[in-house]
Amino acid sequence: NAGVTQTPKFQVLKTGQSMTLQCAQDMNHNSMYWYRQDPGMGLRLIYYSASEGTTDKGEVPNGYNVSRLNKREFSLRLESAAPSQTSVYFCASSLQEDYGYTFGSGTRLTVV
Amino acid sequence: GENVEQHPSTLSVQEGDSAVIKCTYSDSASNYFPWYKQELGKRPQLIIDIRSNVGEKKDQRIAVTLNKTAKHFSLHITETQPEDSAVYFCAYGGSQGNLIFGKGTKLSVKP
Repeated sequence: NAGVTQTPKFQVLKTGQSMTLQCAQDMNHNSMYWYRQDPGMGLRLIYYSASEGTTDKGEVPNGYNVSRLNKREFSLRLESAAPSQTSVYFCASSLQEDYGYTFGSGTRLTVV
Repeated sequence: GENVEQHPSTLSVQEGDSAVIKCTYSDSASNYFPWYKQELGKRPQLIIDIRSNVGEKKDQRIAVTLNKTAKHFSLHITETQPEDSAVYFCAYGGSQGNLIFGKGTKLSVKP
C-alpha cells in the first residue's frame, strides 16, 4: 500500500500563478486534510473533508480552495499565489474524525 | 479559540536520560490525544495516542499520560537514543473533528 501520495514534491511559482496540489490515499479513509507547516508555527489546518462530498474551512483558508474529487482524492488549489504561501504543505487522511492521521510526504512550495 | 500550548520548544538531553514534553489544551470536550514525531525533512508520523477513558498508555520506551481535569497530557521517553532526535508534536481532537497541533518540541539527544 502506498498510503497517502502527494504530488508534486517541490514547486516554485511566480507571484500570481496558480497551481493544484494533488493528494490521494488508498487506505479507504473517510476524512482528509490539508495542513501547512511553517517554522515555529506547527501544523495549521487549511481545509478538511470529513467525508466524501463535504469540505470545511480550517484555521488558515484564505487564498486556497479544495475539491474532494472522490473518496480517495483531495486536491488543494492556489488561484493566485503569493509569497506568504511559501510553505511546506502536507495532506493527511484518517479513518474518521478523532482517529490518527497518516500524512503524505509533503510539498515544498516557494512563491517568488 | 481552540489551541494547545506545548513546552518546552527545545529540549536537549544526554543519551540514556529521560525526556518529558508537556501540553495543555483548551477544549474540555476532547477525547483523543495523539503524539507525532517528525524527523528532519520527513512527514509527521503517529507514535502513540491516548483516549480520554485512559490515564496512561505505554509502548516500549514511550508513554503518554493524560489529566483531563487539569487539561494536560505529557509524552515521556525513557532511555533516550540518538535516533529519538526529532520534532515532536502533541495534538488533540478539536470540536470540528480535526486535530489541533501544538507548535512542536525539538528534541536533541547527545551521544
